Amino acid sequence: DAMVIQNPRYQVTQFGKPVTLSCSQTLNHNVMYWYQQKSSQAPKLLFHYYDKDFNNEADTPDNFQSRRPNTSFCFLDIRSPGLGDAAMYLCATSPGQGLDTQYFGPGTRLTVL
Amino acid sequence: QKEVEQDPGPLSVPEGAIVSLNCTYSNSAFQYFMWYRQYSRKGPELLMYTYSSGNKEDGRFTAQVDKSSKYISLFIRDSQPSDSATYLCAMGRRGYQKVTFGTGTKLQVIP
Repeated sequence: DAMVIQNPRYQVTQFGKPVTLSCSQTLNHNVMYWYQQKSSQAPKLLFHYYDKDFNNEADTPDNFQSRRPNTSFCFLDIRSPGLGDAAMYLCATSPGQGLDTQYFGPGTRLTVL
Repeated sequence: QKEVEQDPGPLSVPEGAIVSLNCTYSNSAFQYFMWYRQYSRKGPELLMYTYSSGNKEDGRFTAQVDKSSKYISLFIRDSQPSDSATYLCAMGRRGYQKVTFGTGTKLQVIP
């Protein structure tokens, strides 16, 4: 089945230790998104790629970076995780052809010790 | 004022009840509307998608959009314990890759 896959599902890191989360998709969608979601809150968009064009949200901290080496893969790098970065990180994709729905992966739950 | 307002709940109903979940929005530029279901510790799952005023039905779920009132609803008939989840509304504009989410309503269906 076509889908959005995130690895790992659970990630534990130490304060200040860099971490990378990965997302892959078999939908061949043009757009990939990274969201941060904290408990009982709406997903908060961090950035998105339309093909190779990177779009950063104005309030996304510099601590967060992203890479999209090809259509299928996208990575979220957190350079120096703080306790406030503990959250669910959601990857989503959309076709990028107009009235687009977004399809989400299962998420990676990040714990910062 | 937030662009999208959604009552966070929690909403508790007995099994078999009809559930009504709602969102209001302020931006008249929104053209398409979605409902997502999110189980605890999982990613959101797309339930319904519509881009016009009126009703759209899919099994036990009906999505309703009233653009004149800037109001959308999701109705769940014959609710089941497996419907217990958080329901997020989301809205977008043509050609604009981002969508705006509501904060989600937590629903509990009690057997």
